Amino acid sequence: EDKVVQSPLSLVVHEGDTVTLNCSYEVTNFRSLLWYKQEKKAPTFLFMLTSSGIEKKSGRLSSILDKKELFSILNITATQTGDSAVYLCAVRSGNTPLVFGKGTRLSVIA
Amino acid sequence: KAGVTQTPRYLIKTRGQQVTLSCSPISGHRSVSWYQQTPGQGLQFLFEYFSETQRNKGNFPGRFSGRQFSNSRSEMNVSTLELGDSALYLCASSLFGSGTGAKDEQYFGPGTRLTVT
Repeated sequence: EDKVVQSPLSLVVHEGDTVTLNCSYEVTNFRSLLWYKQEKKAPTFLFMLTSSGIEKKSGRLSSILDKKELFSILNITATQTGDSAVYLCAVRSGNTPLVFGKGTRLSVIA
Repeated sequence: KAGVTQTPRYLIKTRGQQVTLSCSPISGHRSVSWYQQTPGQGLQFLFEYFSETQRNKGNFPGRFSGRQFSNSRSEMNVSTLELGDSALYLCASSLFGSGTGAKDEQYFGPGTRLTVT
């Protein structure tokens, strides 16, 4: 059974800190890994990583994929209170639906 | 482009009733997936539709059903509601869904918060 595990489950940091969120996976036929940010409502898409795109960056957020070690990290630099959210990692294997991890709850305090 | 829309946004029902939720995908997207989100279980896949055909189904009882129309809009139905069905129901659209295609990005709607009393 495909599995996605995120760590830590929750994290509290101060504004300005840098954080690293982890996502490890076990799937039979890896196709893509996606990161989402969920505040009070729907998850919003952040990045998609595939075999042909193992590193993505957007402003203070960046993500890398290690296909050999089967994990991805999401980095947020110079955190702000607006970064407080649950960050979800999802993996697609072959033609099956996305499998989501339980998420990491990030709290950024001023 | 308009995003994914879901209606209604909030719903309160009593045990034993049935409910229908609606989702309109992003224009041009042909795949719609439904998820149930609860604090304990996280995001769990319900089903996926592509071009009016159910492509994948999650591990939920037969009380949960869905369909997709020719304009890609989708509905899901839950019959004989139970207290445990209280959850946020999310719909997500993508170009191809789990089918072959480089565009795997899936975009979520705001969700329908269902409370069963």
